[in-house]
Amino acid sequence: AQKITQTQPGMFVQEKEAVTLDCTYDTSDPSYGLFWYKQPSSGEMIFLIYQGSYDQQNATEGRYSLNFQKARKSANLVISASQLGDSAMYFCAMREQEYGNKLVFGAGTILRVKS
Amino acid sequence: SAVISQKPSRDICQRGTSLTIQCQVDSQVTMMFWYRQQPGQSLTLIATANQGSEATYESGFVIDKFPISRPNLTFSTLTVSNLSPEDSSIYLCSYDNLNTEAFFGQGTRLTVV
Repeated sequence: AQKITQTQPGMFVQEKEAVTLDCTYDTSDPSYGLFWYKQPSSGEMIFLIYQGSYDQQNATEGRYSLNFQKARKSANLVISASQLGDSAMYFCAMREQEYGNKLVFGAGTILRVKS
Repeated sequence: SAVISQKPSRDICQRGTSLTIQCQVDSQVTMMFWYRQQPGQSLTLIATANQGSEATYESGFVIDKFPISRPNLTFSTLTVSNLSPEDSSIYLCSYDNLNTEAFFGQGTRLTVV
């Protein structure tokens, strides 16, 4: 089974609107972390937000928030007030303590913001 | 958070040669990793760079092809050996503070001709 699943190969959003990028995960490790990264065409990986498995509150970082639903094993990224500069590839990743703390990535979602 | 620098940012190499990529962090970090991103694909872990000992390689990656060094807690290198066009990818180093952060270097875009 895939550890991290991103079911949306591509998404479009109108500038200034909010968009949700889906991510579901599969783990039996009680201690894990979930990350979201943005990868523009330059290729760099930009860290956006982190959610720990024991965190009670959903993580927020500026316009980014993580909708963490532990029972459903989902960790969706919400981007509010989309900007043209948000157009990029977005990756969800999971770190599991029992697997050496390496990151396992989803396939990614390409987001295009329309003006 | 620590600043992580990777170089070169890109290179074009002849098949059969090797490329060494350097990754420098401005403070000591516990975990450093090397990833490969093939064209149009997601990231795949090559190995965990262990300070003072041999790297731990993932299935499908071997030391002869991807030798890694980590002489101290701030620096690591990845060499991609005996290059073939199939090695054309983006290679990324990362560090993890085992807490709330896992940052990446700027990436090295390798083209093998």
